[in-house]
Amino acid sequence: DQQVKQNSPSLSVQEGRISILNCDYTNSMFDYFLWYKKYPAEGPTFLISISSIKDKNEDGRFTVFLNKSAKHLSLHIVPSQPGDSAVYFCAASKVDSSYKLIFGSGTRLLVRP
Amino acid sequence: DVKVTQSSRYLVKRTGEKVFLECVQDMDHENMFWYRQDPGLGLRLIYFSYDVKMKEKGDIPEGYSVSREKKERFSLILESASTNQTSMYLCASSFIGQGGANVLTFGAGSRLTVL
Repeated sequence: DQQVKQNSPSLSVQEGRISILNCDYTNSMFDYFLWYKKYPAEGPTFLISISSIKDKNEDGRFTVFLNKSAKHLSLHIVPSQPGDSAVYFCAASKVDSSYKLIFGSGTRLLVRP
Repeated sequence: DVKVTQSSRYLVKRTGEKVFLECVQDMDHENMFWYRQDPGLGLRLIYFSYDVKMKEKGDIPEGYSVSREKKERFSLILESASTNQTSMYLCASSFIGQGGANVLTFGAGSRLTVL
């Protein structure tokens, strides 16, 4: 039973355009959501997070939106750059077990020059 | 900069062998984790440790054990390797980030092939 789902295994966008990566979750007890980026042959690196008390968090070109009623979050990258090409994982945790992150299956983003 | 170092990047072992995967972090983090990454399945938690000698099972602990004798070191042990344990193994340590988020810092991974 996948509690965190990334239904798009891959996404391709043109350099300079917006990349939108989506993530759905089933457990309403999740209260923190994080995005990680992973390059080949490297470990995932933390990108951005959002608390369930917010609906938006921004960090430079990266913005995460949270829609609690729909149990949906998205990561927007504007403008997309070729160096953003990587696998993106969303992850969630619950307040009573914040040390335990539940990861989605990942979306591979390709930004075409 | 937090560094999480995994001792072996690539290992090839035979079925039934005992396998040790070592992980060291240098930022005095309390929490350490072992995940495995498989295509289409994302990252799945095997075990984690919140203090020296303390451990808890994750979602897929079967066939694995762990050891944390020192705060900076967390080892994953496959007592008798099997082919379905062929995977990428990722170690992580964590701190509580801004607003209370548990931010994991990962090592580069150890790719294990069991023949």
